[in-house]
Amino acid sequence: AQKVTQAQTEISVVEKEDVTLDCVYETRDTTYYLFWYKQPPSGELVFLIRRNSFDEQNEISGRYSWNFQKSTSSFNFTITASQVVDSAVYFCALRTGSYQLTFGKGTKLSVIP
Amino acid sequence: DTEVTQTPKHLVMGMTNKKSLKCEQHMGHRAMYWYKQKAKKPPELMFVYSYEKLSINESVPSRFSPECPNSSLLNLHLHALQPEDSALYLCASSPGILRDRTPGRQAFFGQGTRLTVV
Repeated sequence: AQKVTQAQTEISVVEKEDVTLDCVYETRDTTYYLFWYKQPPSGELVFLIRRNSFDEQNEISGRYSWNFQKSTSSFNFTITASQVVDSAVYFCALRTGSYQLTFGKGTKLSVIP
Repeated sequence: DTEVTQTPKHLVMGMTNKKSLKCEQHMGHRAMYWYKQKAKKPPELMFVYSYEKLSINESVPSRFSPECPNSSLLNLHLHALQPEDSALYLCASSPGILRDRTPGRQAFFGQGTRLTVV
């Protein structure tokens, strides 16, 4: 069975603060893929990043960065200098050799001006 | 064009109504998905179509009936729904269903149809 845990249900930060969203996953597969999606109030799920289990290199994209650590089964997401437009629900998801994404319960991020 | 388009955006229907949700993509993706998302919950997979054939039905009640008329379109026919079926219905597409060690590819999601059953 596979599982994704996002322990933080809601986070509030003041604009320009850095914030890290935690994601811990469980799977017995050796090949798997991890994703982060952003869901703004409008509803669509916006793809942010995909990592595969063989690539532990951390990634930075503008104000976003991701820290993938297989040793702790974690795939954390950091937003630097947060902005109001970052307010959304963020989902971490896991895909193994099958077809579906297993989503975490999501973390609602509120960035206060 | 990396869009998945869903119509309508909002739908209110009575329990005796019949309605359909539509999803369209023109990315040449061969896998299409329906997800259901209740408020403050993650999306839950309902159906998967691969090459226009239903490959996965996650024990969804028969009042939800999917249809894939062609590789670009996916419908979800609704009949005799219950108020608890009210949710955001998300459509997604991806290049294909992953097999063994195929590199992962992301699914593109539509904006969803917010359904209210009264």
